[in-house]
Amino acid sequence: GNSVTQMEGPVTLSEEAFLTINCTYTATGYPSLFWYVQYPGEGLQLLLKATKADDKGSNKGFEATYRKETTSFHLEKGSVQVSDSAVYFCALSDGGGSNYKLTFGKGTLLTVNP
Amino acid sequence: DTGVSQNPRHKITKRGQNVTFRCDPISEHNRLYWYRQTLGQGPEFLTYFQNEAQLEKSRLLSDRFSAERPKGSFSTLEIQRTEQGDSAMYLCASSLDGGDQPQHFGDGTRLSIL
Repeated sequence: GNSVTQMEGPVTLSEEAFLTINCTYTATGYPSLFWYVQYPGEGLQLLLKATKADDKGSNKGFEATYRKETTSFHLEKGSVQVSDSAVYFCALSDGGGSNYKLTFGKGTLLTVNP
Repeated sequence: DTGVSQNPRHKITKRGQNVTFRCDPISEHNRLYWYRQTLGQGPEFLTYFQNEAQLEKSRLLSDRFSAERPKGSFSTLEIQRTEQGDSAMYLCASSLDGGDQPQHFGDGTRLSIL
């Protein structure tokens, strides 16, 4: 079956530090890959996506590249801000059976200190 | 685009009672998904609808759970004879058709069983 593995948190960084959150996946088909973010007290929001190998998704300074050879989709940001403090979820959507349900990782809590 | 709306935001009930949650998707979205999220975990798929048809149910969805989407618009999720283990955040998402279409999430309904 499909699965997503994220690096365990929590991750604590100082403002302007470099961020990497690792994500690897197992899928039977050719999945689309997503990063969702959940700010305190809010629902999940799509951060970025990539739909095929070597695609790079980017948004709000965050980037992730779909690496089929390593089955990875690591999230990076060059300079984090306090406002980036949130839980980040890596997810995949596998069109097998035309379902497109999302399989999520457990989430990584990021805290950015001023 | 008013987003996905879920009601109520919070529900506290005694064990053994029945509860019903409502989800109003983004109006032009034909797919609607229900997920469950417990503390420290990523959302887990429960069921999904393509218009009014319920096309897949997870094994997580016991016989006490039932979901409907009459006329392909809003959806309801009912839990009968609630148990302690049902305590969780219940998330609704909607999307256009296709594996690369992002799912847009509501803020969820938090269920607490006393």
